[in-house]
Amino acid sequence: QVQLVQSGAEVKKPGASVKVSCKASGYTFTNNAIHWVRQAPGQGLEWMGWINAGNGDTKYSQKFQDRVTITRDTPASTVYMELSSLRSEDTAVYYCGRGVSSSWALDYWGQGTLVTVSS
Amino acid sequence: EIVLTQSPATLSLSPGERATLSCRASQSVATYLTWYQQKPGQAPRLLIYDASKRATGIPARFSGSGSGTDFTLTISSLEPEDFAVYYCQQRSNWPSFGPGTKVDIK
Repeated sequence: QVQLVQSGAEVKKPGASVKVSCKASGYTFTNNAIHWVRQAPGQGLEWMGWINAGNGDTKYSQKFQDRVTITRDTPASTVYMELSSLRSEDTAVYYCGRGVSSSWALDYWGQGTLVTVSS
Repeated sequence: EIVLTQSPATLSLSPGERATLSCRASQSVATYLTWYQQKPGQAPRLLIYDASKRATGIPARFSGSGSGTDFTLTISSLEPEDFAVYYCQQRSNWPSFGPGTKVDIK
């Protein structure tokens, strides 16, 4: 069965970076894009960017353009999302999701990774 | 940038009632519209994609309709497990989510 398993919770200081992993299994890794979405406490969902797991092409939200990097390790079927220059407003649960259909629907999601930014 | 507006913000209903949720886009998104359900402490769950196609394993009581700028998610008869927050999502030049509709128990 398809699964996306994310790395564990992180606590970071302002100005630091965080790297969250998303390990895929149960399907051909290179057939789908992996997207990253975040959700601040009590708030809605915010799209950050995605990677085409087949060719490695990436696209990032303008909001995060200068601070986010999404990469992949194909042999390990794992995607990474790194966010730099962290501030308190980056405290959120970060989700990865597998993209499908022409609507870029996310049919499988990771369990979420809580990143807390605090001095 | 396309903005999605969802209404109402909160819908208070009883089990067995019909729920009608609206999502409106600031410009046409054709049928590139997706609906998700999210419960507290859980990741979102895909319900409907391409405006009207039910995702695998989603009960028939969930249906989606619409095209262009106006979309509707209908739950024909609410089950206890359906009380949750529902988000719509569009993809155009950049994907985005609506602010959500909370369906709670009356």
